[in-house]
Amino acid sequence: AQKITQTQPGMFVQEKEAVTLDCTYDTSDPSYGLFWYKQPSSGEMIFLIYQGSYDQQNATEGRYSLNFQKARKSANLVISASQLGDSAMYFCAMRESDYGQNFVFGPGTRLSVLP
Amino acid sequence: ETGVTQSPTHLIKTRGQQVTLRCSSQSGHNTVSWYQQALGQGPQFIFQYYREEENGRGNFPPRFSGLQFPNYSSELNVNALELDDSALYLCASSLGRVNTEAFFGQGTRLTVV
Repeated sequence: AQKITQTQPGMFVQEKEAVTLDCTYDTSDPSYGLFWYKQPSSGEMIFLIYQGSYDQQNATEGRYSLNFQKARKSANLVISASQLGDSAMYFCAMRESDYGQNFVFGPGTRLSVLP
Repeated sequence: ETGVTQSPTHLIKTRGQQVTLRCSSQSGHNTVSWYQQALGQGPQFIFQYYREEENGRGNFPPRFSGLQFPNYSSELNVNALELDDSALYLCASSLGRVNTEAFFGQGTRLTVV
């Protein structure tokens, strides 16, 4: 069963506007971590933000925030004030505590920021 | 920059050959994981090493093997290359095995012809 779903293969946003990238996940483990990574065309995966399953508050890192809705198993990434340099692939990933420490990645969303 | 370096950055091999990819982890990180990312897809977990021992493996055949050295750097070896092995191979290093972030290298792009 797919554990991470990203239903938006591609998204467009105007520069300086906010955008939300969707992510839903599936796990029976009560302890897990949710991550968002950015992958520019160079290939490197750049860590953006982390949310632990027991965290009470939504995570924020600069222009990035994670809208965590545990009951809905949703972990959407919100990018505020989009910049041209935000154009890249974005991956949602999960790490479960009981099955090794590997990431399970979603299929990704390609974000294009328009001038 | 994350401090994780991979070599080589690009590689072309012929079907049936063997290849070794290398990863130098971030200073102090004792856990290294390898991922295969086919074109247009998310990365897939190959295996992980913690303090020189394999600590988890994804759904990859035994011709994918690895090593971790005392300095925590790592190698990924692939024998009997197949065309479907063409992909970006990513190495990630982290400290420990609990839910901590991992830092990725820039990847090695392998093309099998």
